[in-house]
Amino acid sequence: ETGVTQSPTHLIKTRGQQVTLRCSSQSGHNTVSWYQQALGQGPQFIFQYYREEENGRGNFPPRFSGLQFPNYSSELNVNALELDDSALYLCASSSKGQEYNEQFFGPGTRLTVL
Amino acid sequence: AQSVTQLDSHVSVSEGTPVLLRCNYSSSYSPSLFWYVQHPNKGLQLLLKYTSAATLVKGINGFEAEFKKSETSFHLTKPSAHMSDAAEYFCVVTPYSSASKIIFGSGTRLSIRP
Repeated sequence: ETGVTQSPTHLIKTRGQQVTLRCSSQSGHNTVSWYQQALGQGPQFIFQYYREEENGRGNFPPRFSGLQFPNYSSELNVNALELDDSALYLCASSSKGQEYNEQFFGPGTRLTVL
Repeated sequence: AQSVTQLDSHVSVSEGTPVLLRCNYSSSYSPSLFWYVQHPNKGLQLLLKYTSAATLVKGINGFEAEFKKSETSFHLTKPSAHMSDAAEYFCVVTPYSSASKIIFGSGTRLSIRP
């Protein structure tokens, strides 16, 4: 069984640029959630995708957008990068229809915005 | 509305002594509650979960937590700390069967003294 993988591991961008982060869900999972974890803080829920559609969103502006593909992998896109977007971005997969919502996390992508 | 408060940002204990990490929650729904651990440069790993079954929940690596509805608490304990327990711990609340409202606490950093 393959766990959740994310790419790239690290990324450096400058203000105003755009970035795409990628996530492959764990085998058998159909739901992907994205989180932003700023330094010294807990992860903040960005949004969740299920069956290629957004299925819930946290308090993030529209310049944070995503996609889910038929194989359940997912992308997080951030436009017009700001310095405060520097963070660890975590992807988690789960299986909708489970009795509870255990999420399996990837190792994250560390984004630095200069 | 939901919220979760981790009462200590940093806890330091000696190896072999008990660990107590405190978490209080607020939820309008019947909550699911989780504890996750994050080792440096690693993804989040589920320690244990409460999903309205037994109020005393046993997890991995000797950790356990007790759901106390009257106190709205879900404190994490371990009888005897090990050096490998040093990490960041997050308490998480979500409505039963609704991953789109997952809320993480701000985290507690656990340090273990030799």
